Amino acid sequence: DSGVTQTPKHLITATGQRVTLRCSPRSGDLSVYWYQQSLDQGLQFLIQYYNGEERAKGNILERFSAQQFPDLHSELNLSSLELGDSALYFCASSPVLGGSPNTGELFFGEGSRLTVL
Amino acid sequence: QQQVKQSPQSLIVQKGGISIINCAYENTAFDYFPWYQQFPGKGPALLIAIRPDVSEKKEGRFTISFNKSAKQFSLHIMDSQPGDSATYFCAASKGNTGKLIFGQGTTLQVKP
Repeated sequence: DSGVTQTPKHLITATGQRVTLRCSPRSGDLSVYWYQQSLDQGLQFLIQYYNGEERAKGNILERFSAQQFPDLHSELNLSSLELGDSALYFCASSPVLGGSPNTGELFFGEGSRLTVL
Repeated sequence: QQQVKQSPQSLIVQKGGISIINCAYENTAFDYFPWYQQFPGKGPALLIAIRPDVSEKKEGRFTISFNKSAKQFSLHIMDSQPGDSATYFCAASKGNTGKLIFGQGTTLQVKP
């Protein structure tokens, strides 16, 4: 168990809808990262937050947004959903800006599987 | 220039054999190369990582070999066990940013 909690584990919704995925990082971790895992694109970095502030953006669509709250949990909002948004969405955390000191490790949650019908 | 190419896509090895997974990168600015292991229904977990100042790093049965001039690195799993059956991802980043560029993954099956 990595200590990163993601909810919901599974979510089925329809095209055009909006969903929110939630992530609670490991206790004490200040950085949160969101990654998307799909069959055709593999694991792709979406966005990073550090202590409430956005610090880096990757291949995140404009229909997607995220935020990190004062208690350090994070939410990923996906709107105007399309079939191609079906994927596993992972949250990862680390104690510092970047991966863990020495190892560079990111601690991944078990993911939220989104199915868009 | 941001790609990391991983091969093979899938691999079947007999118990006790050596599993070898290869990755190649293009961006010479990359300086951190981790391997993550993912079991079904779980998130990726760091297995081992290397920086380009060394050519090899070994942790137990797992070894990373790194060839800076060829821009390639590989994971060797010695004495492969059925419990090693998982998907393995190589990755790369410029600095310890947490912004990892992942390979496409290799599904390893170790037969008893």
